[in-house]
Amino acid sequence: NAGVTQTPKFRILKIGQSMTLQCAQDMNHNYMYWYRQDPGMGLKLIYYSVGAGITDKGEVPNGYNVSRSTTEDFPLRLELAAPSQTSVYFCATGGLENIQYFGAGTRLSVL
Amino acid sequence: DQQVKQNSPSLSVQEGRISILNCDYTNSMFDYFLWYKKYPAEGPTFLISISSIKDKNEDGRFTVFLNKSAKHLSLHIVPSQPGDSAVYFCAASATYNQGGKLIFGQGTELSVKP
Repeated sequence: NAGVTQTPKFRILKIGQSMTLQCAQDMNHNYMYWYRQDPGMGLKLIYYSVGAGITDKGEVPNGYNVSRSTTEDFPLRLELAAPSQTSVYFCATGGLENIQYFGAGTRLSVL
Repeated sequence: DQQVKQNSPSLSVQEGRISILNCDYTNSMFDYFLWYKKYPAEGPTFLISISSIKDKNEDGRFTVFLNKSAKHLSLHIVPSQPGDSAVYFCAASATYNQGGKLIFGQGTELSVKP
């Protein structure tokens, strides 16, 4: 039982490149979330999903896209990477209670 | 507008003493509060939670207190241990929020010295 798995753990992008951050869960949770954490700041919600085929914007969605074709997977897409997207990205899942379970994170640098 | 605030970026405590971490919120619709603990290079892990119908919840060395009138919650760790050294985030949610979204504070870095 792996819980929430994020890949890759680290990535360096050049400005304008694109990439997909992967998130997979085996907890059979309907809710999934993407957050970013900047130094000295809390976690900011980028996008979330309440089930397969349903996604919605969070607090800081600009520059990102998501899809949710299955219960297990919730990839986050960066189309044109910018230095402002340098951050640590966390994926999380949530069940019936409001407790969320987090992956280990992806550290992204855009240079 | 920061709806959940942790005004102390850091806290240093001696091993065996009490650690008190504080959190304030502004949205009166929040009715469920959580504390998460985060070690470097790891994701946050759930620690303890409290519903707004309670004013206290205990789990071993960890106790969370909620003062709804002051819109304030605190996490007490007694006794503190060096392994408790981590960043602690408080988070809040409202049942009317579709999708169980959480609003996080900025975090407090706790250092427990032997």
